Order: sequence, then C-alpha cells, then structure tokens
Amino acid sequence: SQKIEQNSEALNIQEGKTATLTCNYTNYSPAYLQWYRQDPGRGPVFLLLIRENEKEKRKERLKVTFDTTLKQSLFHITASQPADSATYLCAPNAGGTSYGKLTFGQGTILTVHP
Amino acid sequence: EAQVTQNPRYLITVTGKKLTVTCSQNMNHEYMSWYRQDPGLGLRQIYYSMNVEVTDKGDVPEGYKVSRKEKRNFPLILESPSPNQTSLYFCASGVRGLAETQYFGPGTRLLVL
Repeated sequence: SQKIEQNSEALNIQEGKTATLTCNYTNYSPAYLQWYRQDPGRGPVFLLLIRENEKEKRKERLKVTFDTTLKQSLFHITASQPADSATYLCAPNAGGTSYGKLTFGQGTILTVHP
Repeated sequence: EAQVTQNPRYLITVTGKKLTVTCSQNMNHEYMSWYRQDPGLGLRQIYYSMNVEVTDKGDVPEGYKVSRKEKRNFPLILESPSPNQTSLYFCASGVRGLAETQYFGPGTRLLVL
C-alpha cells in the first residue's frame, strides 16, 4: 500500500539556521509533490509544488527538492525565524486521473527557537 | 476576498442525530474535498469532487455522505454520527491545472457524545 513518511515528528532548531524536512514515499509514482504549512487549529496553507521532472524549486527562503529515484523530497527553510514554527505537511500526488485523491504525510512539527 | 467557508465552526451533538457541515467557495473552483484530522493519524481525505455531480471516495469515507449539486457548495453529511467521528474537519477547493494546489477552509470542530 502507499505510504508517506515525514522525518521525526518534531524538529527543533535555532533561529538563523536552515531547517531541513524530509518526505519519503513508497509504492507511489507521484507526478508532483506539494508542501503545506499548518498552524495549530487552522487549515493547511499551500507553500510549494514540485513536479517529477523538476529537481529543485525555490520561493524566497524556501527550497524543495524532488528525487524520484530515492522517492524523497526535501524541504528547506533557510535563515529560519520563530515565525516559521508550524507543522509542515507533504502530499505526493499521482496526477492524471488520480488528481483528486490526495494523501498527506503525518507532518513534521518545526520549532524555531530565538 | 477569495475564500473557503465552513459552517458551523464548532458543533457538539449526540450519537445518531443527523448533521450537515456546509462548505462553500467563491473562487469558481471545480475541485472540492473533505478531510478529517485526528491526533496521530494526520489529515485524511473523506470524499472529493472533481466537478458538479461528480464525487468519489477518499481514504476514510465510511459514515459520511456528500453531494455536489452546484459548483460552489460541497456539504458533508453525517447521517448517524458516532463518537469515533469526533474530529477536526476541513474542506478544500482547487483548480486543476493551476498548480493543482488546494485552498483550505478554517475547519469545523465536531464532538459527538
């Protein structure tokens, strides 16, 4: 069955450092992979999408990589700030006719300490 | 303002009493979806709809019904709620082809006694 694993339930880092979050998937052939941010009690907010033919995508301090051979996506936040503290979710998507069916990883809780 | 709205935001009910959680979006999105989120289990998809009159099951559809009679609305119906349906529910909408991203509503916290 399809499985998504995000690294360690919680990640603690110091302000200014780079946070690296991992999303591994098995029994999947995603056409693209999305990353979302979720604050406590609120709905997830879309951050970045990377397609299978893209190795890297950037948006301001955010960078996502996608390695279809390793079946892994890495999400980086550079120069992290306490305001980046949140839960980050990955969601691989098979695309095509399976576009509508979406499975999320459990999420990684990131805490950035001042 | 472009948004997804859900009502009610909080609901306490009793086992077996039918309820409906409404979801509406003003972005003319074809795609809409319902999720539930539980501690330790993450965000799980209940049902989704690719367009009007087109719905399909997600990973946890048991005990739920949906309908999509018009583009903007996608209500979630619990015909006979049970305590194991106590959860935080999110509705989302999106446009295929526009980065396939989803826009989530604020959530509905449901407690079934």
